[in-house]
Amino acid sequence: DAGVIQSPRHEVTEMGQEVTLRCKPISGHDYLFWYRQTMMRGLELLIYFNNNVPIDDSGMPEDRFSAKMPNASFSTLKIQPSEPRDSAVYFCASSLVVGQLFFGSGTQLSVL
Amino acid sequence: AQSVSQHNHHVILSEAASLELGCNYSYGGTVNLFWYVQYPGQHLQLLLKYFSGDPLVKGIKGFEAEFIKSKFSFNLRKPSVQWSDTAEYFCAVNAGSGGGADGLTFGKGTHLIIQP
Repeated sequence: DAGVIQSPRHEVTEMGQEVTLRCKPISGHDYLFWYRQTMMRGLELLIYFNNNVPIDDSGMPEDRFSAKMPNASFSTLKIQPSEPRDSAVYFCASSLVVGQLFFGSGTQLSVL
Repeated sequence: AQSVSQHNHHVILSEAASLELGCNYSYGGTVNLFWYVQYPGQHLQLLLKYFSGDPLVKGIKGFEAEFIKSKFSFNLRKPSVQWSDTAEYFCAVNAGSGGGADGLTFGKGTHLIIQP
């Protein structure tokens, strides 16, 4: 299995632009998580899905952030409009067993 | 809500030294506890986990952790570190209520540097 695949690896954009991050979970995993990592706040859970249904989005910072999972093999995290404070590494992870998350390589987002 | 505190943000050791990284959590109920590791340039991966039973759990690469319920702690240990153990280490917790794979709450991480 190729593991959790995220794209792009790096994204540089200007303030106000829309950003879309993509994730392909491991086949057969029914949980998908989006995390954000910054120096100040560490790893923060943004949202997670079970069987494509959003279960908890309380970590989504504000309405500029949205996430979808149209099918079992694909999820997106969208920021519109983006702001410099959104600069971070965004990780996607999938899971079949409680707590055993398999992480992707992350997307390094820089908003100028 | 759960929270996790890791005592040291940066630790520098020499090869063959013993390692102990502190982790305390805040949650009143049953918990599942984890240590994840992120080697330079790689993604986070599970090092070891505790669900129930023997409070001393062993993970990969010679690491172990001990769950002390009375202290709300889950410290990571290794008797003799190697240069290849240089990495970022994250303690994590989720509610062990059996309600499903809730998202993990992570500590801020400890950056471990092993000097040859």
